[in-house]
Amino acid sequence: EVQLLESGGALVHPGGSLRLSCAASGFTFSNYAMNWVRQTPEEGLECVSAISPTGDITYYADSVKGRFTISRDNSRNILYLQMNSLRADDTGVYYCAKPPGMGTAGWFDPWGQGTLVTVS
Amino acid sequence: DIVMTQSPESLAVSLGERATFKCKSSQSVFHNNNKKNYLGWYQQKPGQPPKLLIYWASTRGSGVPDRFSGSGSGTDFTLTISSLQAEDVAIYYCQQYYSTPVTFGGGTKVEIK
Repeated sequence: EVQLLESGGALVHPGGSLRLSCAASGFTFSNYAMNWVRQTPEEGLECVSAISPTGDITYYADSVKGRFTISRDNSRNILYLQMNSLRADDTGVYYCAKPPGMGTAGWFDPWGQGTLVTVS
Repeated sequence: DIVMTQSPESLAVSLGERATFKCKSSQSVFHNNNKKNYLGWYQQKPGQPPKLLIYWASTRGSGVPDRFSGSGSGTDFTLTISSLQAEDVAIYYCQQYYSTPVTFGGGTKVEIK
């Protein structure tokens, strides 16, 4: 069974930093692109970052570009999101999500259970 | 970015009745090369992550009941629940994956009348 388990969410002050992790199991992690999708009351569902299977291609939403860094450790099957210079509008639930193949775009199945980031 | 617009924002339907909601994209998500619409639908229940229902606009995900069906092409799409069950109370989102960034609609909330 494919499983994604996020961790690292917390309450942080504006300007602070957090690192989110997503532990993947049940599939060959290194064969798939991965995404971070956040859900906020203001913006709804937003794909904030994505990474190719080998990590050489990344995508960032304009809202997080220059502040967030996505990375992956294929030897440990873990996806990361380093979040710096956090702002109040970064508050939300952050999900890792698996697209169907090597490309970063696609439908997402499954999603992790989410981790809550609160900037206040 | 492709903007996804869903309607209505909320919908109240009696148990056993049909529920239909719409999703419109700001540009076509139909790819001429493979003749597919790059459109998915998700169901989100309170406190849970979104769950994939439909991809390629009309293909049901694994284990999705056949009362859920998707239709449409180009810019206009529909999700139909043929006979609403109590467990279908949720928010439903559409998503385009035709271009990066993938984008989602604002959702339609389904309640029991």
